[in-house]
Amino acid sequence: ELKVEQNPLFLSMQEGKNYTIYCNYSTTSDRLYWYRQDPGKSLESLFVLLSNGAVKQEGRLMASLDTKARLSTLHITAAVHDLSATYFCAVDNDMRFGAGTRLTVKP
Amino acid sequence: DTGVSQDPRHKITKRGQNVTFRCDPISEHNRLYWYRQTLGQGPEFLTYFQNEAQLEKSRLLSDRFSAERPKGSFSTLEIQRTEQGDSAMYLCASSPPTVTYEQYFGPGTRLTVT
Repeated sequence: ELKVEQNPLFLSMQEGKNYTIYCNYSTTSDRLYWYRQDPGKSLESLFVLLSNGAVKQEGRLMASLDTKARLSTLHITAAVHDLSATYFCAVDNDMRFGAGTRLTVKP
Repeated sequence: DTGVSQDPRHKITKRGQNVTFRCDPISEHNRLYWYRQTLGQGPEFLTYFQNEAQLEKSRLLSDRFSAERPKGSFSTLEIQRTEQGDSAMYLCASSPPTVTYEQYFGPGTRLTVT
């Protein structure tokens, strides 16, 4: 059975700091997705990663994919309060989502 | 086109009643997905359509759940004989026919079964 594991599940960090969220998945997948969800809101697509070694960046967020290790990372650079949200990764086998990483950025 | 829309946004029903939700995807998006999300959890895949064909249905989906997309445009999700465990946010997403199949989510329908 496909498993998608994210860690950490909860992350509290100070503004200006860097951190990485990890997403491991158990079977091969053609696509890896990252989403953001604000409290009480729906999901917003951040990145779609298709191939081994793929790297995408938008603002302070950078996502990468290692298909051999079945690992994707979401790196946060110089965090700001507006990045506080829950971040999900998902793989397109059965569109399985991870449990999410709840990020809180404190001033 | 302003995005994926869902109706209603909130639904309160009594246990045992049937409910139906509607999703209107972004025009020209050929894929449409339904998910369920409970508090503190990631979305759980229910089913998806490519045009009018229902291509996949989660094994977790009981026979009380049914979805349709009769003309390949809007979709409906019906839950029969609702149970308290059905209380959740029901999310719809659509994706265009591109290699990424990037999904655009609607605002969701929050169901409360009393």
